[in-house]
Amino acid sequence: QQQVKQSPQSLIVQKGGISIINCAYENTAFDYFPWYQQFPGKGPALLIAIRPDVSEKKEGRFTISFNKSAKQFSLHIMDSQPGDSATYFCAASYAGGTSYGKLTFGQGTILTVHP
Amino acid sequence: DTGVSQNPRHKITKRGQNVTFRCDPISEHNRLYWYRQTLGQGPEFLTYFQNEAQLEKSRLLSDRFSAERPKGSFSTLEIQRTEQGDSAMYLCASKWSTNTEAFFGQGTRLTVV
Repeated sequence: QQQVKQSPQSLIVQKGGISIINCAYENTAFDYFPWYQQFPGKGPALLIAIRPDVSEKKEGRFTISFNKSAKQFSLHIMDSQPGDSATYFCAASYAGGTSYGKLTFGQGTILTVHP
Repeated sequence: DTGVSQNPRHKITKRGQNVTFRCDPISEHNRLYWYRQTLGQGPEFLTYFQNEAQLEKSRLLSDRFSAERPKGSFSTLEIQRTEQGDSAMYLCASKWSTNTEAFFGQGTRLTVV
């Protein structure tokens, strides 16, 4: 069962544009929602994360918007740069219990930023 | 380098052979996770340890797979009688149990020929 659905599969934007990637989750027990960035041949690296008690979190050019009622969250990359070209994954995990910290990932979005 | 270290980075093996991967987590992290990532997909959870105890295993982890973390430090993931479908990137991540952020290693890419 796919518990975290991510779209689009790929995204092409021009330098300076806004990149938007969307995710939807099913399990209301999830309460930690990180975004990871992965370059070819590397492991995923945490970019930014949010808890469901806030609707938005911003760190530099990266913003997460969270809609708890819709069970959706999105990543916005402002002023996109060629160096942002990578694969982005949304993920979700539980607050507690034995599964705390176990991440369920979306399918990934390949972002290409043209100069 | 104090990050998560995985060895080897690449492994090519013939079908039917056994392979073993090693993960050295960040030293103070007590939780260690294994994930598998196939081409074009997100990582999928395989198993995790808190200290030396293996607390959860995914249904993806068939009886050909075994993982250990004997002293609560490094971990090994062994695949017996490899199949072509085992070809994937195997990722290790670690974290402190009360923190949310997990740090990933660079992975071991397995190719079964």
